[in-house]
Amino acid sequence: GENVEQHPSTLSVQEGDSAVIKCTYSDSASNYFPWYKQELGKGPQLIIDIRSNVGEKKDQRIAVTLNKTAKHFSLHITETQPEDSAVYFCAASGYQFYFGTGTSLTVIP
Amino acid sequence: DGGITQSPKYLFRKEGQNVTLSCEQNLNHDAMYWYRQDPGQGLRLIYYSQIVNDFQKGDIAEGYSVSREKKESFPLTVTSAQKNPTAFYLCASSMWGSTDTQYFGPGTRLTVL
Repeated sequence: GENVEQHPSTLSVQEGDSAVIKCTYSDSASNYFPWYKQELGKGPQLIIDIRSNVGEKKDQRIAVTLNKTAKHFSLHITETQPEDSAVYFCAASGYQFYFGTGTSLTVIP
Repeated sequence: DGGITQSPKYLFRKEGQNVTLSCEQNLNHDAMYWYRQDPGQGLRLIYYSQIVNDFQKGDIAEGYSVSREKKESFPLTVTSAQKNPTAFYLCASSMWGSTDTQYFGPGTRLTVL
């Protein structure tokens, strides 16, 4: 089956700086790559997603890039704010969703 | 409001007891999923259902059972055969299949006493 690796596991940035989280996947059949934000004690919320026919997608301060050849995709958050602090999960989906192990992001005011 | 609801938010169980976690959605989604989340790990799929009266095992189905008698409901039973049931359980739904966006409920935290 699919194997999704996510790095780093923890990330601390100063408010206003950028944050980048990277994921790699193994199954070339995967064609859908969502990113979720999970706040403490809550369910994950979809923040952005990308499909394999697109290389980059932006939504205000967040963006996702996909390199199908290298089988990796990344989440970019610019101008970080304290409310961005949460755990972020990537996922890769072909026949089934496979999630990364999560990145705990802390934005320091 | 449309969404996914899970109840209860917190659940305590004695060893040897079966417990059932509720998941309801009013999004008119065909597919529903149950995941288990442990600290420091990603979400692991327990069971999923793409249509009423049909469901498939995920990666960690042992010790769990489900039913899908109605489109809106997908309850999960944690049986006494599950050796380490303490975890955060998440229900999700999607419009159709596994490549469609999944939307999650708020979760149920199960603790075995």
